[in-house]
Amino acid sequence: RKEVEQDPGPFNVPEGATVAFNCTYSNSASQSFFWYRQDCRKEPKLLMSVYSSGNEDGRFTAQLNRASQYISLLIRDSKLSDSATYLCVGPNAGGTSYGKLTFGQGTILTVHP
Amino acid sequence: EAGVAQSPRYKIIEKRQSVAFWCNPISGHATLYWYQQILGQGPKLLIQFQNNGVVDDSQLPKDRFSAERLKGVDSTLKIQPAKLEDSAVYLCASRGTSGATGELFFGEGSRLTVL
Repeated sequence: RKEVEQDPGPFNVPEGATVAFNCTYSNSASQSFFWYRQDCRKEPKLLMSVYSSGNEDGRFTAQLNRASQYISLLIRDSKLSDSATYLCVGPNAGGTSYGKLTFGQGTILTVHP
Repeated sequence: EAGVAQSPRYKIIEKRQSVAFWCNPISGHATLYWYQQILGQGPKLLIQFQNNGVVDDSQLPKDRFSAERLKGVDSTLKIQPAKLEDSAVYLCASRGTSGATGELFFGEGSRLTVL
């Protein structure tokens, strides 16, 4: 099983829709996860950190389900500008800032008018 | 605050030639990563440095790839000889010891095409 696995999509949704992505992980000792956003031909940038049970930032909500070993990203009221690739990142075993970070393959989201 | 600097941005070489990429991380960041991102895939970790020591190079193809961070600041990634499958974007990232423990700051990447 891959350390971090995502559904690559693509997800095509209309503006205003709610969309959710899942990411599964294999290392049950992992303590924290992250969602990065990558625009076409750009570098990845941190979108959200996911600690303990979850995190919310405006239209974005990230959840962590330790029992089933997956994290999710929910985007409400989708905007055209949300079109990007969303990368799930983990594990960060040990909770230090030195830990190995593994990226999933990314989920492509396209929001259309 | 200056970001992660990488060069060159683009490089085209023929197979069996060599190439080197340079990265200067954010000032004070002790952890430096090199990732390889093939089109349509997520970044794959090649090597991780903590100051000038290697933390993880388990996925670095050591027969052709090498990397160093001699003074614990900037870093160089070399490929010799290159293969067609090395065509990818090579991303350098750095990470500090304070703030969000997960935040990697990436450079713009070096896009390699091997013909």
